[in-house]
Formats: sequence, structure tokens, C-alpha cells
Amino acid sequence: QKEVEQNSGPLSVPEGAIASLNCTYSDRGSQSFFWYRQYSGKSPELIMFIYSNGDKEDGRFTAQLNKASQYVSLLIRDSQPSDSATYLCAVNPVMKTSYDKVIFGPGTSLSVIP
Amino acid sequence: GAVVSQHPSWVICKSGTSVKIECRSLDFQATTMFWYRQFPKQSLMLMATSNEGSKATYEQGVEKDKFLINHASLTLSTLTVTSAHPEDSSFYICSAPRDVGTEAFFGQGTRLTVV
Repeated sequence: QKEVEQNSGPLSVPEGAIASLNCTYSDRGSQSFFWYRQYSGKSPELIMFIYSNGDKEDGRFTAQLNKASQYVSLLIRDSQPSDSATYLCAVNPVMKTSYDKVIFGPGTSLSVIP
Repeated sequence: GAVVSQHPSWVICKSGTSVKIECRSLDFQATTMFWYRQFPKQSLMLMATSNEGSKATYEQGVEKDKFLINHASLTLSTLTVTSAHPEDSSFYICSAPRDVGTEAFFGQGTRLTVV
């Protein structure tokens, strides 16, 4: 079983719609969760991080974490064509007191159609 | 936010030569630097973890004698691809967390093409 799984997509949504990106992880002890956006040919850039169960909102982005289900998601409201990119879910399986071997999922390709 | 500067952004080299990639943390001290490789349409694969003043820790399957990592200061880590071959052509990216347990900031990446 892969440690961090994502649907590779492509996920296509119309402009203005809500894009929902999902991620599951295998290590129940995981503590830190990150969402990165990566445009083609560029390095990833951090969008959000979440440590606690529940929702965390930042502008058009909402991260949702459910540790019991080992599930983290990213919602993008009012999707824009500029949101078209690959979204990487990353999980730090160890306690927050160290940063080691953050594991990246394969990424989900999102396409926002004008 | 924190800035990690990576150079060069792209490089083309002949097979058998060596290439050095530099990553600098510009506004924080990077005790730890992670080096990743990414092939087209694939996810990031961690190659090694470098810690300032000590030897790097390599992931399974990564040749430490081929991918030399030096982290001599708190703001600079380098990756040298020695005796590069076409199969080493890839996108190499460094990243560093500002603090332990926090999010990592990525360098701009280096597109290596070995001909």
C-alpha cells in the first residue's frame, strides 16, 4: 500500500465551480499535512498546511483533515483557470518535533475550464 | 515567507561530466535541506537529506558516490551529479523547512539535461 495516495486525475471543473482534491495516507501516526501546487516545469509552492482535525480556511482554499479516516482534502472555491496545476498532498509521518521524510503523493492534475 | 534560492535553473551537460547544483536559504538558517528528483509526470522522490555539518542521509537506491551532497554552512547545500549520464536527466529540487516541524520551502528547481 502506497503511503500517500491521490487520484491522479485529470480533474476538470468549470470556472467558478468548487474543485475538491482528496488524499489518503497510511501512517495513522502522521501529524502534519501539507498541500502544494506545482505548475508544469516549476517547483512546488505551499498552499496550506494543517495539523488538527477539522477545517482550515485561507481565502478560496479550505483544507480538511480527518485523522480517524486518514483523509485530508483541499477545496478550491470559485476555481479560476490560473488554478490549473498539479496539487501535491504531503504528509509528515513523525511527530512535529522533527521534520523527516515528508512523503509526497503522486499529485492530482486539475484543469479549470473557462 | 522564507526563500530558498536554487541555481542554476537549467543546465545541459555532456555525458561523463559533473554538475553542481546550489541551494541557498536567503532569510533563515537551513539546518536541514532535502533534495528531490522529479521525472516527467511523476511525483517528487526524495533522494537525500542533508544536515549542516554532518554526512547526508541517502534514500534507498540512491548512489551516494554519484550524488554528492555538501552542507557546509547553515545557508548553503550543494548537490553534485558526478559522471552524469542521460538517465540522470531530470528536475532536481531542494527544499528546507524554516523550523523543525514546519512547512518546507522549495527552491526553483534545476532542469538537468545530459546529452
